[in-house]
Amino acid sequence: AQSVTQPDIHITVSEGASLELRCNYSYGATPYLFWYVQSPGQGLQLLLKYFSGDTLVQGIKGFEAEFKRSQSSFNLRKPSVHWSDAAEYFCAVGAEGGATNKLIFGTGTLLAVQP
Amino acid sequence: EAQVTQNPRYLITVTGKKLTVTCSQNMNHEYMSWYRQDPGLGLRQIYYSMNVEVTDKGDVPEGYKVSRKEKRNFPLILESPSPNQTSLYFCASSPYGAGTSDYEQYFGPGTRLTVT
Repeated sequence: AQSVTQPDIHITVSEGASLELRCNYSYGATPYLFWYVQSPGQGLQLLLKYFSGDTLVQGIKGFEAEFKRSQSSFNLRKPSVHWSDAAEYFCAVGAEGGATNKLIFGTGTLLAVQP
Repeated sequence: EAQVTQNPRYLITVTGKKLTVTCSQNMNHEYMSWYRQDPGLGLRQIYYSMNVEVTDKGDVPEGYKVSRKEKRNFPLILESPSPNQTSLYFCASSPYGAGTSDYEQYFGPGTRLTVT
């Protein structure tokens, strides 16, 4: 069955430090992968997505993610974190069979940023 | 502005009292979905719709109903809410189904429901 694992429930980083959020997926074919961010009290905003091609994907707000098929991973990175990046981050994979239009989400990683 | 709107944003109700959460999108999208978000579980799809009058169950449909009489609207109905339906609910829409390079879901702001 398809699944997404985000091993880190909660991460704290200092402002200005680099960030890497981990995401592992289980999927039969070439996956469609997404990272969303949810700020407190807000809906989900798409940071970036991967469908094919270049395995390093650039997104909004200075985020990037790298697709590694051999490791079944799609980790999110940012070289220098800002206090406004504090939020919950969700990795998701598009479910096989486009008719359901379903995204399968990980359980999320809550990011705290220390001054 | 292109957006997905949900109403109400917050709702506290009692067990058994029927309620409807509305969802509307102004992007002329074919596909719409409802998800619920629970701590430690992420988001799970409740129902989805591929077009007007075409709906089907997602992963957690028990206790919910939906309808799609107009392309822009996709209300979520709880006929007899129970405390285990206390959750944060998101409506989403997309122009294409999963599996296309332009696939992307646009999410509403969420509705926080508490059933006592």
